[in-house]
Amino acid sequence: DVKVTQSSRYLVKRTGEKVFLECVQDMDHENMFWYRQDPGLGLRLIYFSYDVKMKEKGDIPEGYSVSREKKERFSLILESASTNQTSMYLCASSLAADTQYFGPGTRLTVL
Amino acid sequence: DQQVKQNSPSLSVQEGRISILNCDYTNSMFDYFLWYKKYPAEGPTFLISISSIKDKNEDGRFTVFLNKSAKHLSLHIVPSQPGDSAVYFCAASALKSSNTGKLIFGQGTTLQVKP
Repeated sequence: DVKVTQSSRYLVKRTGEKVFLECVQDMDHENMFWYRQDPGLGLRLIYFSYDVKMKEKGDIPEGYSVSREKKERFSLILESASTNQTSMYLCASSLAADTQYFGPGTRLTVL
Repeated sequence: DQQVKQNSPSLSVQEGRISILNCDYTNSMFDYFLWYKKYPAEGPTFLISISSIKDKNEDGRFTVFLNKSAKHLSLHIVPSQPGDSAVYFCAASALKSSNTGKLIFGQGTTLQVKP
């Protein structure tokens, strides 16, 4: 079974803080993705990576950066958290262009 | 510009009846379509997919229909069960032009199945 884990289920941060969200997958997948889910907007792609040290912007990259130093780990960084980044953050991985498998999500609240 | 649209935010059906969830897309390059199911406080889980070379794919109680000319797909759940109550996301990919597996998701439809 594919397993995608995310470092925290719930996180509360203050405006201006630097926030790290970690994602680890155990299936040797090349591709990894970060999404945010907001009511009425579905899942929107923030960044994705198709190989170690490679990254591409998704549809809403502003205010975020990512890091992929190892194949199994993909980190999302909020350089200076803002209240409009309060959301559910979902990580996913896939083998090439195959089905994406999602982690349980991190509910981030920025006060 | 919403390339994948689920125009019904919610749907309520009686247990045992059919649930039909709809999805429309605008990009003719999309050639692979998926449905995901999401319970609250959990990540989406893959449900069923269909390639553009087919017009129907069936897996147990779940069937996906694809109408390429109308750029429309639908998910049928028969019979519906209370455990099917969740948010359903439609997603599309352009596999022939990209091997990264990038998906475009719809807004989601919340299905409630009443006992």
